[in-house]
Amino acid sequence: GQNIDQPTEMTATEGAIVQINCTYQTSGFNGLFWYQQHAGEAPTFLSYNVLDGLEEKGRFSSFLSRSKGYSYLLLKELQMKDSASYLCAVRDSNYQLIWGAGTKLIIKP
Amino acid sequence: NAGVTQTPKFRVLKTGQSMTLLCAQDMNHEYMYWYRQDPGMGLRLIHYSVGEGTTAKGEVPDGYNVSRLKKQNFLLGLESAAPSQTSVYFCASKSPERENTGELFFGEGSRLTVL
Repeated sequence: GQNIDQPTEMTATEGAIVQINCTYQTSGFNGLFWYQQHAGEAPTFLSYNVLDGLEEKGRFSSFLSRSKGYSYLLLKELQMKDSASYLCAVRDSNYQLIWGAGTKLIIKP
Repeated sequence: NAGVTQTPKFRVLKTGQSMTLLCAQDMNHEYMYWYRQDPGMGLRLIHYSVGEGTTAKGEVPDGYNVSRLKKQNFLLGLESAAPSQTSVYFCASKSPERENTGELFFGEGSRLTVL
């Protein structure tokens, strides 16, 4: 079966750096996505990786290793507004998105 | 900028009742999707559409029907609601031109409770 694993919950301190990991086992691979979802709100697109390596976008970076079936989302200079769930999703060989259950990130002052 | 709009935002149903969730997007997107989100689980695709007049089944289609009579609207119907359909439902849309980035635009969600 297809599977996406992410930690359920993480806690970090305002101003610090946090890394959220995602491992996947899917039928084929056509890209990996990260979305942010604040409580009670819609998911919003953060990043996309299809080749190995690091994609940087402001305070957020996303890394992919296809051979290891692994990605991480790196958040720098954490702000209180970064408290949210972070969803990892993989597009499989049928171009369908398989979603992880999400990682709830709690930021403490 | 409305984006993707879902109605209603909240609804409580009794087992066996029917209802329709409406999704409207004003971005001229071809692709539209209905997902459900349950605690401890990833988003699961119910049905999707790649254009006006077309629909297809997703991962969990049983108990739901959909229609895409107009490009901007995608309706999700529950003919006979069951408690297992208690969930938060999200509509999303995507332009084919953004296929590489895969960016989905989501509505704010519809919280459905079936008693």
